[in-house]
Amino acid sequence: RKEVEQDPGPFNVPEGATVAFNCTYSNSASQSFFWYRQDCRKEPKLLMSVYSSGNEDGRFTAQLNRASQYISLLIRDSKLSDSATYLCVVNSETSGSRLTFGEGTQLTVNP
Amino acid sequence: GAGVSQSPSNKVTEKGKDVELRCDPISGHTALYWYRQSLGQGLEFLIYFQGNSAPDKSGLPSDRFSAERTGGSVSTLTIQRTQQEDSAVYLCASSLLPSGVGEQFFGPGTRLTVL
Repeated sequence: RKEVEQDPGPFNVPEGATVAFNCTYSNSASQSFFWYRQDCRKEPKLLMSVYSSGNEDGRFTAQLNRASQYISLLIRDSKLSDSATYLCVVNSETSGSRLTFGEGTQLTVNP
Repeated sequence: GAGVSQSPSNKVTEKGKDVELRCDPISGHTALYWYRQSLGQGLEFLIYFQGNSAPDKSGLPSDRFSAERTGGSVSTLTIQRTQQEDSAVYLCASSLLPSGVGEQFFGPGTRLTVL
């Protein structure tokens, strides 16, 4: 089983739609959680950290459920510019200081 | 300010040759990471440098891969006797704080093609 698993996608949604991505992680000792965004043929960039109480940044909402080892990202009122691959990322002390990346979920927002 | 830079941006080599990939992290960042990403795949961790500590080499796929970081700044990833399965984009990242605390800033990557 992979350490971090994401919805395989791809997701194709119209502008203005709400879309949710799910991610599960296998290491119960995981402590830090992030969503990164990667545009086509570009490097990944941090979208947002995920906090235990859940957090929101504009149209983006991240949730963490430690009991279920589950992370989600919700995008409301999606824009064409949201088209990208979204990477779920997890860090745990038992894996040293490295981040473990999911394979990503591709999103295309259509006009 | 300047971000993470990598060179070359593209490298085409013949099977069996050695290659060196370079990473210049953001000035002052103590942590440096190497990953590789095959087409359509996620990022695979290779190696992590933190300050003067011994590097975490747990992700290196074989002894053909090695990396060093001189003077706590520039890093070089060396692949000896390249194989076709080494073809991928090699990404370098740096962070001010250790992984899990600080955001990782990625360079644009080096696209390696082994013929």
